[in-house]
Amino acid sequence: GQQLNQSPQSMFIQEGEDVSMNCTSSSIFNTWLWYKQDPGEGPVLLIALYKAGELTSNGRLTAQFGITRKDSFLNISASIPSDVGIYFCAGQRGNEKLTFGTGTRLTIIP
Amino acid sequence: NAGVTQTPKFRVLKTGQSMTLLCAQDMNHEYMYWYRQDPGMGLRLIHYSVGEGTTAKGEVPDGYNVSRLKKQNFLLGLESAAPSQTSVYFCASANTGEETQYFGPGTRLLVL
Repeated sequence: GQQLNQSPQSMFIQEGEDVSMNCTSSSIFNTWLWYKQDPGEGPVLLIALYKAGELTSNGRLTAQFGITRKDSFLNISASIPSDVGIYFCAGQRGNEKLTFGTGTRLTIIP
Repeated sequence: NAGVTQTPKFRVLKTGQSMTLLCAQDMNHEYMYWYRQDPGMGLRLIHYSVGEGTTAKGEVPDGYNVSRLKKQNFLLGLESAAPSQTSVYFCASANTGEETQYFGPGTRLLVL
């Protein structure tokens, strides 16, 4: 089955640094979603994007729906320890099932 | 509201044993999903349901069966567990197929 290419696979940053990650696909999606998974928990929705070019913020998080509808980006500004976890992108066309990326594992170095 | 709950949280099985994973949601959602999560693979859809009494295959359905006898519950069964089914299993629910999916905390399954 199709999977989304998510990069980087992992990131090691210092507290206070900004973070950028992206997700690309060979197919067009109508919806892009970004989830965060804390250790031992299920994914939790962070941001949903519904229009090409859309830029949406949720606190220190900002996500963009790429113009080509084949990619999306997530930025985290001024990272804090609780940002640690795995970030997943997911794409959806209409009411088709979600297609998930492989995840970006974020680690914050003290 | 408890949201989406999963039972059990962790289980160890021997090859060939059977078990059932239970997912329950109290949000009156129509859609329910079972995913498995493996390292480097993201989440892959096993089976899903668009309403009480309905089920459909996802991306990786082989070796699993599901039932949705009640709207709030979605059961995932393994008839004869195999080591390849060692994984973390997540259940999710949504109001419609186009709306946000809410995930449970996961069930960690180890098949020896």
